[in-house]
Amino acid sequence: ILNVEQSPQSLHVQEGDSTNFTCSFPSSNFYALHWYRWETAKSPEALFVMTLNGDEKKKGRISATLNTKEGYSYLYIKGSQPEDSATYLCAFIGRSYNTDKLIFGTGTRLQVFP
Amino acid sequence: ETGVTQTPRHLVMGMTNKKSLKCEQHLGHNAMYWYKQSAKKPLELMFVYSLEERVENNSVPSRFSPECPNSSHLFLHLHTLQPEDSALYLCASSQDWGWWGTEAFFGQGTRLTVV
Repeated sequence: ILNVEQSPQSLHVQEGDSTNFTCSFPSSNFYALHWYRWETAKSPEALFVMTLNGDEKKKGRISATLNTKEGYSYLYIKGSQPEDSATYLCAFIGRSYNTDKLIFGTGTRLQVFP
Repeated sequence: ETGVTQTPRHLVMGMTNKKSLKCEQHLGHNAMYWYKQSAKKPLELMFVYSLEERVENNSVPSRFSPECPNSSHLFLHLHTLQPEDSALYLCASSQDWGWWGTEAFFGQGTRLTVV
């Protein structure tokens, strides 16, 4: 059974705070890692697709890093805004186990208060 | 707007009813998926279709029956469901099955309640 763990489960921050969360995944047979942002009553939307060890990706105030050898990825949000409130999901794909499916974590629910 | 549309958004059905969920994408994707999200659990893959052929049935009970009549449409037919089947059902698509160098696109989901 493959486990993808995300921490923390939930996070409450003030507007302007920077924050980060973690996705842990199996370190062997890595193929890709996806990050998705899921706002209430909307569709999950992709933030990043990461495939190489050491990848760093950035989109506006949000960035992500990837360490495939130790099996973790960090998502950072700089200067959080209320519109960043959402659940952030990571999804792991392993080359030999499941090249046909994303294995999702349970997500980190972020709430940003004005 | 992700390009993947699901209907209905909400559905309440009795255990003896038959209903269908519909998913539509016009992104030119070759793979389509049904996911289930129950409370406090991660998204669970149910079915995968690639080029209109079912390629994955993730140990889903037969009371869930998928159908993919063409590359743009995916259905999930429901019959004699149980209350524990109440969940959010998400449809997704991706360029090709087995290639995860690009992202999946999700619909907004159908919130299903079985009474």
